[in-house]
Amino acid sequence: GAVVSQHPSRVICKSGTSVKIECRSLDFQATTMFWYRQFPKQSLMLMATSNEGSKATYEQGVEKDKFLINHASLTLSTLTVTSAHPEDSSFYICSAPAADRGTEAFFGQGTRLTVV
Amino acid sequence: GENVEQHPSTLSVQEGDSAVIKCTYSDSASNYFPWYKQELGKRPQLIIDIRSNVGEKKDQRIAVTLNKTAKHFSLHITETQPEDSAVYFCAASQGSSGYALNFGKGTSLLVTP
Repeated sequence: GAVVSQHPSRVICKSGTSVKIECRSLDFQATTMFWYRQFPKQSLMLMATSNEGSKATYEQGVEKDKFLINHASLTLSTLTVTSAHPEDSSFYICSAPAADRGTEAFFGQGTRLTVV
Repeated sequence: GENVEQHPSTLSVQEGDSAVIKCTYSDSASNYFPWYKQELGKRPQLIIDIRSNVGEKKDQRIAVTLNKTAKHFSLHITETQPEDSAVYFCAASQGSSGYALNFGKGTSLLVTP
């Protein structure tokens, strides 16, 4: 299968600071990537769709000014959690479809964010 | 957004028994239905998927059935093993245009020896 790499895997930050999470497709090009958030013992919730070369599309209830998404190349999307608060602590995970490899969406390893 | 309902939330079976997890979806345009297995703190792993033009798909001990009319799909695991213990998520595509997925809430499966 295709490889999606996400960094960092874990990050602890202070309230009020910003954290950037990277999602890279290593062996394929991804014009679209998806960002999900997963709270403990809960499901994955789609936050936004990242589109290469254009603005991201955010799901209802997700603040675009708080969760900044940049998809500047065909292999990299970044999610920046701005002015982080403890309630932003969660597992953030990206996925990318490899269109030339069928219908599967490949997930990154996920990032465990803890805001203290 | 569109909903995906998943049941049961927890399931305990004895090794060798079968496990069935059921999901329903509301978006009639959904045409792709993957199932993921997730171990604690790790990324979801695709275990099987089905598209709307197929009613059933099987891969060794795992099978998925889809009733598009009723908007139901189910995961069947036969001859369960302790290593099958994990959280399983069903998902349905958001419409038919891409790979954004709506996930069910998950089923925590425990297979006891």
